[in-house]
Amino acid sequence: DSGVTQTPKHLITATGQRVTLRCSPRSGDLSVYWYQQSLDQGLQFLIQYYNGEERAKGNILERFSAQQFPDLHSELNLSSLELGDSALYFCASDEVNTEAFFGQGTRLTVV
Amino acid sequence: LAKTTQPISMDSYEGQEVNITCSHNNIATNDYITWYQQFPSQGPRFIIQGYKTKVTNEVASLFIPADRKSSTLSLPRVSLSDTAVYYCLVVPLGGSARQLTFGSGTQLTVLP
Repeated sequence: DSGVTQTPKHLITATGQRVTLRCSPRSGDLSVYWYQQSLDQGLQFLIQYYNGEERAKGNILERFSAQQFPDLHSELNLSSLELGDSALYFCASDEVNTEAFFGQGTRLTVV
Repeated sequence: LAKTTQPISMDSYEGQEVNITCSHNNIATNDYITWYQQFPSQGPRFIIQGYKTKVTNEVASLFIPADRKSSTLSLPRVSLSDTAVYYCLVVPLGGSARQLTFGSGTQLTVLP
C-alpha cells in the first residue's frame, strides 16, 4: 500500500459525459501528480500541484482540468469524453526531493 | 528536461543478474536519477535513486559514472516476479515544480 488513494477504481461512462477522479495523497505530501496511461502506452504526465497551486503542466487536454484542495486531496475532471480518453489514470504524491508514491489508478472506460 | 533512452525490451533467465542501462546525455547539474518499476495495471513503484557513483538498497544497485551521462540499474538474481517495465527518470533537485517524465521504459521478461 503506497498510501495514495484513488477513487473510484473503475468507471464506465458514455461519450460526451463528464467525470471526476479523486486522489488522496500520502499524509504530509504537498505535491500531487496526475498521469494518463492508455492501453500499451507509456505514462503521460498531465499536471502537478503543490500545496494547492498548479506548478507543472504536461500534455493535458483543454477538456481536462484539475485542482488541489486545502486538505491536499486532488480531483481530475474530464469532460466531453471521447472513446480515446479510455485509459488508466494515476495519481502520485511526494514531498520535495523524495520518491513519488503512486496510487493504484482509476480505470476509465468510455463507451 | 533531460531526455532518457533505454532499451525497449530485455529477456533474462531466473537467477541471473540483469543490467539495464539508461542514457541521459543532457543531464543537468541539479538532476538526480531515479528508477521505477511498473507491473501491468498497477502504479509505478520506486526502486532506487542516486546522484553519482554507486547506490545500493535491498532490491537493486544503481551505477552512475563520473560524467553522469548514463546510469545502469542492476537487479541481482532476478525471479519471474521481476517481469515488469522499468523506467529511468531524470529529476531535478529542489523546487516545488517538478514534471516527472516517464519515457518508454524497458520491458524486462524473466524466463524460467
